[in-house]
Amino acid sequence: LAKTTQPISMDSYEGQEVNITCSHNNIATNDYITWYQQFPSQGPRFIIQGYKTKVTNEVASLFIPADRKSSTLSLPRVSLSDTAVYYCPPVSGGYNKLIFGAGTRLAVHP
Amino acid sequence: EAEVAQSPRYKITEKSQAVAFWCDPISGHATLYWYRQILGQGPELLVQFQDESVVDDSQLPKDRFSAERLKGVDSTLKIQPAELGDSAMYLCASKGQGAVNTEAFFGQGTRLTVV
Repeated sequence: LAKTTQPISMDSYEGQEVNITCSHNNIATNDYITWYQQFPSQGPRFIIQGYKTKVTNEVASLFIPADRKSSTLSLPRVSLSDTAVYYCPPVSGGYNKLIFGAGTRLAVHP
Repeated sequence: EAEVAQSPRYKITEKSQAVAFWCDPISGHATLYWYRQILGQGPELLVQFQDESVVDDSQLPKDRFSAERLKGVDSTLKIQPAELGDSAMYLCASKGQGAVNTEAFFGQGTRLTVV
């Protein structure tokens, strides 16, 4: 299963756009790329998923280049409530294996 | 909205005692995951079920941990005997079957403290 690498932490300010990049070593052809958000003392919550190109939903956009070796989660106009840890676990197409890395701690400041 | 239920929310136990956690996934979800999350780290997959069958338990410390999902519905994770290093959040998640592009839903977790 693909191992992911993300920045340990990021800082931003309210109203800014935040882009968090994830590297996917050895991602398999049938793996999907997913992103989750986790607040303290809660379980992770699904944000968005994609296979290639660009996906957008009501809270975020996901950009995946053609080689699929990385992905970028884009959060438009962040607020204080977006302060959380963000993970990018690939989902294997076989048994839906879901492996999390260390994640990126995003701190949004006033 | 359907949720993954876990109990208890908090558990304090003494070293060498047995402890058990329970998870009730979203109805109809065939895939069930148990994770352990140490403070400041990402969730570590302990065991994954597909219906009642274990499909991955490679990271489960089998000398002290056991997991079951009888009838392919709810699941129990047990630790016996508990050690100080087992203090962590234990998370359960479930995922629908069919296409891989379905999200996993997590419960609130069980915070275990071993003293």
